[in-house]
Amino acid sequence: GESVGLHLPTLSVQEGDNSIINCAYSNSASDYFIWYKQESGKGPQFIIDIRSNMDKRQGQRVTVLLNKTVKHLSLQIAATQPGDSAVYFCAETYSGAGSYQLTFGKGTKLSVIP
Amino acid sequence: SAVISQKPSRDICQRGTSLTIQCQVDSQVTMMFWYRQQPGQSLTLIATANQGSEATYESGFVIDKFPISRPNLTFSTLTVSNMSPEDSSIYLCSVDTLRGGRVGDTQYFGPGTRLTVL
Repeated sequence: GESVGLHLPTLSVQEGDNSIINCAYSNSASDYFIWYKQESGKGPQFIIDIRSNMDKRQGQRVTVLLNKTVKHLSLQIAATQPGDSAVYFCAETYSGAGSYQLTFGKGTKLSVIP
Repeated sequence: SAVISQKPSRDICQRGTSLTIQCQVDSQVTMMFWYRQQPGQSLTLIATANQGSEATYESGFVIDKFPISRPNLTFSTLTVSNMSPEDSSIYLCSVDTLRGGRVGDTQYFGPGTRLTVL
């Protein structure tokens, strides 16, 4: 289940199950979104991205869904493996003139139970 | 893609001292970024460092506290000056490879520098 920890929400899933990590973004003008995975002691690693003209994009074992109406982004991981245990961040950016920074969400810690 | 290294990987420093963090990229990149990640929290952009111009700082960050150098297209440094325990964080270097021709399309991160200030 999902719970709010001291700092990061935590999602615990059984190995082999599917995981769904959610993210609410803040800027309705944002037009590009990225999911990052951060393992302990490492920098964030790019997983998958999606532009605002799309609702869904699939990668290897991962799918990102975008709902612009409610400013919601989700990351689905199929057949979750122990190696998927990490903190997952969504990031948004707006391609308007002079704007280039990524704004990161709070992050969700995914724990995979063997 | 881009391979990014940072030095040091971690350090423990005394209050009032300064630490310079180095970021090296294996290819020439136009845009480099410095982020701070406080324990158990998300990433916050400190500044953008472009070669040939002064760094652009985000709200809440100032040059006197976080001076940045960008001498060429593969290297940057961030200095954390006059440190206090509140500066204890992970500091991350990031680059944008402009793969899609637009900033923000692909940002790669270094492994981070874990700083503890006593």
